[in-house]
Amino acid sequence: QVQLVQSGAEVQKPGASVKVSCKASGYTFTDYYIHWVRQAPGQGLEWMGWINPHSGSTTYAQKFQGRVTMTRDTSITTGYMELSSVTSDDTAVYYCAREPFYLYYMDVWGEGTTVIVSS
Amino acid sequence: EIVLTQSPGTLSLSPGERATLSCRASQSIGSAYLAWYQQKYGQAPRLLIYATSRRATGIPDRFSGSGSGTDFTLTISSLEPEDFALYYCQQYGSSLPITFGQGSRLEIK
Repeated sequence: QVQLVQSGAEVQKPGASVKVSCKASGYTFTDYYIHWVRQAPGQGLEWMGWINPHSGSTTYAQKFQGRVTMTRDTSITTGYMELSSVTSDDTAVYYCAREPFYLYYMDVWGEGTTVIVSS
Repeated sequence: EIVLTQSPGTLSLSPGERATLSCRASQSIGSAYLAWYQQKYGQAPRLLIYATSRRATGIPDRFSGSGSGTDFTLTISSLEPEDFALYYCQQYGSSLPITFGQGSRLEIK
């Protein structure tokens, strides 16, 4: 079945980087965008950006420009999101989600990865 | 940035009742670009409705979406116990960034 399986929880110190993976299965990896969305504790959903796994091209939310990098490895159908210079404000659950090209919705989501930033 | 404002913040209803959730955009959105998600505690969001009114695969027909321009609605015709959750609207396509509403909580009365 179609699924996105994310890497496990992370604890990082302020100023460090965190990298979360998202392993896709059950569909053609390069036919769907991969988005990253985060949710701080008790808060709503915040879009971070997307990657086109076919071309590798990315689009980031302005808020995260310069601090986020999204990549993919098509050989293992996995997307990655790396966030640098983290602070306590980056403590959140990070989700990957797929979008059928140009259909403007996210139809399958990963289970989420908890990232805690604490000294 | 398009701001989505959902109302009410919390809706208290009983199973079998009809729920109406609103999503208002700060500027006009094309109907293709509005989606609704359901999120239960500790779970990832689940796509319910896309393109304003199209149900996602496997979504029961008690869920329906409508609206245009700046005003959109998610209706649950007859609440089942499993429908009590958080609901988010999302816009994508009219302009970046993709934004979500702040959420509406549907709780059991």
